[in-house]
Amino acid sequence: KQEVTQIPAALSVPEGENLVLNCSFTDSAIYNLQWFRQDPGKGLTSLLLIQSSQREQTSGRLNASLDKSSGRSTLYIAASQPGDSATYLCAVVMGGSQGNLIFGKGTKLSVKP
Amino acid sequence: GAVVSQHPSWVICKSGTSVKIECRSLDFQATTMFWYRQFPKQSLMLMATSNEGSKATYEQGVEKDKFLINHASLTLSTLTVTSAHPEDSSFYICSASTSSEQFFGPGTRLTVL
Repeated sequence: KQEVTQIPAALSVPEGENLVLNCSFTDSAIYNLQWFRQDPGKGLTSLLLIQSSQREQTSGRLNASLDKSSGRSTLYIAASQPGDSATYLCAVVMGGSQGNLIFGKGTKLSVKP
Repeated sequence: GAVVSQHPSWVICKSGTSVKIECRSLDFQATTMFWYRQFPKQSLMLMATSNEGSKATYEQGVEKDKFLINHASLTLSTLTVTSAHPEDSSFYICSASTSSEQFFGPGTRLTVL
């Protein structure tokens, strides 16, 4: 059974710092991996999607890497801003694009001005 | 593009009543929609997978007679929580799938008194 773990559960950093969020999964036979942002009481905003054949994806200040064989992904946020404060969720899809996502519990990020 | 809406965004109801939540893909057709729920400080958990025109597939531990899912068209799926109880209070999120990615609705906060 696939399990997705995110470390740390919470993180507080001063504005401007670069930071790394970690995600690990137990079954490396994933179809893709996705990073989301969730603001309190809100739905999900997709940040980056990495196909199983890819090693990384970049969007603005965000960079996500994938090491499928070791079951790890990282989300790198450069020059953090208070507006980045949110919960970041990692999720994997098994068995094809129509498969359901299996989520980690998330990392709650707080960026202090 | 790829916008998914949910209605209502929040609902408060008395114990024993039924609540219907709608999920619509606004600018694309989705053959598959997923329903998730999220309890406080927990990860999103898949409840059921819904394919247009066929019966939904429920995850283990999710009562199909309590959580009725109807996927009548390629752009609309509904989740009805029947005879809701306080333990059903949760954040319910739907997603609609294209051939390559899932797109999430903004979620519905259900509070059962």
